[in-house]
Amino acid sequence: DAGVIQSPRHEVTEMGQEVTLRCKPISGHNSLFWYRQTMMRGLELLIYFNNNVPIDDSGMPEDRFSAKMPNASFSTLKIQPSEPRDSAVYFCASSLRQGNQPQHFGDGTRLSIL
Amino acid sequence: GESVGLHLPTLSVQEGDNSIINCAYSNSASDYFIWYKQESGKGPQFIIDIRSNMDKRQGQRVTVLLNKTVKHLSLQIAATQPGDSAVYFCAENENDYKLSFGAGTTVTVRA
Repeated sequence: DAGVIQSPRHEVTEMGQEVTLRCKPISGHNSLFWYRQTMMRGLELLIYFNNNVPIDDSGMPEDRFSAKMPNASFSTLKIQPSEPRDSAVYFCASSLRQGNQPQHFGDGTRLSIL
Repeated sequence: GESVGLHLPTLSVQEGDNSIINCAYSNSASDYFIWYKQESGKGPQFIIDIRSNMDKRQGQRVTVLLNKTVKHLSLQIAATQPGDSAVYFCAENENDYKLSFGAGTTVTVRA
């Protein structure tokens, strides 16, 4: 079975540029999560979608960050304009929302803002 | 605030021995716990989960123990192999969708 698919795997860009990260959740999963992982702060939840609707975006750092889920099989996380402090590994995860269910993670996008 | 914490940041184990990774949690309302394994350059991989109405759950070579009295969770890996070298995270649910992750324990398997 295909897991969560993220692209690109690596992104290096200059500050001020727009960055778009992409995610395809596991087919049939109705919950999708975007996380950021850094050495200093560990795994942080940025935003949570259920049935394509954003439910909790309290973890989004600031207005430069936005996320969309136009359909059940695709989501994007956009940073505009990007800053060096946004450098991190960004993970997408999906799960079934039927009581407590494990979240399954993609292999992440390693983002470096120069 | 309440958080999930790990007792030890690193664990070195001889190949073939059993490994025990510990995790303390402070939210007595948590009713669902997960262990993840993260290898270098990859995302956290689900290993095993347990609900608060259970004390023990076994998988393939892994066992999770939950002690609600002292708010302690452990992951036991039997016959540790080189492929088990990774960072292991415990996570607890804050609500019906949000997980709180521990800092992680780095496990190194010695040949």
